[in-house]
Amino acid sequence: QKEVEQNSGPLSVPEGAIASLNCTYSDRGSQSFFWYRQYSGKSPELIMFIYSNGDKEDGRFTAQLNKASQYVSLLIRDSQPSDSATYLCAVTERSGTYKYIFGTGTRLKVLA
Amino acid sequence: EAGVAQSPRYKIIEKRQSVAFWCNPISGHATLYWYQQILGQGPKLLIQFQNNGVVDDSQLPKDRFSAERLKGVDSTLKIQPAKLEDSAVYLCATRTSGANVLTFGAGSRLTVL
Repeated sequence: QKEVEQNSGPLSVPEGAIASLNCTYSDRGSQSFFWYRQYSGKSPELIMFIYSNGDKEDGRFTAQLNKASQYVSLLIRDSQPSDSATYLCAVTERSGTYKYIFGTGTRLKVLA
Repeated sequence: EAGVAQSPRYKIIEKRQSVAFWCNPISGHATLYWYQQILGQGPKLLIQFQNNGVVDDSQLPKDRFSAERLKGVDSTLKIQPAKLEDSAVYLCATRTSGANVLTFGAGSRLTVL
């Protein structure tokens, strides 16, 4: 069974700090990588995706991918209390069937 | 565009009863997924449809769960008979051909007593 692993947290950071969320995956052939945010009692919503090694920035969010280490991370700069949520990492398999496998999520708390 | 519609939003049943969930995807989205999310866990894929054909149902407990997607549009997920461990949120998600992003519905929360 292919796996996506995340530290469940909670990860607590003070307001204005950088939050760093990490994810590892077992399938070396995974194609695409996603970060979703899920507020309590709500459904996941896409924050950003990354396909190639390196960094991708979108506003306060930066996704980093290292395929050799099978590692993807999400950095949130200038963290706000409204960023407090569970962050889900998801990957798609090599097969091209667009099967999305999710990690268990990391709960982030931004302290005001 | 309208989002992914799911109903009912909440359902409470007793074990051994049956329940059905409905999903209406975003128009034109060919790929539809049902995920099960138990409290404190990530979404677990139950079944994936491409139009009205099944792509992957390897993690669907087929002795009690069934799903169909009539005419490649709406989908229903049924559980019969329900067990206590089926208590979860059932999420429907869709993906449009050519894009690589899942859009989730609001989910259907099931409590089995």
